[in-house]
Amino acid sequence: GAVVSQHPSWVICKSGTSVKIECRSLDFQATTMFWYRQFPKQSLMLMATSNEGSKATYEQGVEKDKFLINHASLTLSTLTVTSAHPEDSSFYICSAGKQGALTEAFFGQGTRLTVV
Amino acid sequence: QQQVKQSPQSLIVQKGGISIINCAYENTAFDYFPWYQQFPGKGPALLIAIRPDVSEKKEGRFTISFNKSAKQFSLHIMDSQPGDSATYFCAASGAQSNTGKLIFGQGTTLQVKP
Repeated sequence: GAVVSQHPSWVICKSGTSVKIECRSLDFQATTMFWYRQFPKQSLMLMATSNEGSKATYEQGVEKDKFLINHASLTLSTLTVTSAHPEDSSFYICSAGKQGALTEAFFGQGTRLTVV
Repeated sequence: QQQVKQSPQSLIVQKGGISIINCAYENTAFDYFPWYQQFPGKGPALLIAIRPDVSEKKEGRFTISFNKSAKQFSLHIMDSQPGDSATYFCAASGAQSNTGKLIFGQGTTLQVKP
């Protein structure tokens, strides 16, 4: 397998502030990482694809200016939720593709964001 | 065409029984079909995966059955245990996006009763 670490595991912030979530691949390099959002009892919805050294690709309906993604190295991608509002409260999960004969996706442990 | 439809939404099985979860897809470009297990408050963990060149793959108590012509695949959990109680997601990806990008099914909440 492979290890993807996400930090923090949970965070509470006030409305209007920004929150940064980190996703690290600990034992492999990932040129591509993915950010998902999951509401309670629902599936994972892909928000964006994070590409090392280039701009992220956002899924339809996801605000680029609100969810800033930076993939500065082959082992780190960050998601910044800017000007957070209570409706942004959710479970955010990252994954990284480990390339081989086929690319398997390994997930971080997720970040529970609560905006008050 | 990008959807993966999963059923049932929830499932209750007695300990020792067989749990069966089904998924269907439309996009014939999909060529990688993993199953993930997720416990509350945790990220999904890869359970087992299959490629379309085989019809079945077994790992321990977990088996994937794959029907290419019907564009369906299923997860069978044999001898289900209370510790298997979790949410299970099927997913799919295509060779054109060989980066780990996945399309997820809606999820199935499994409860195994002692």
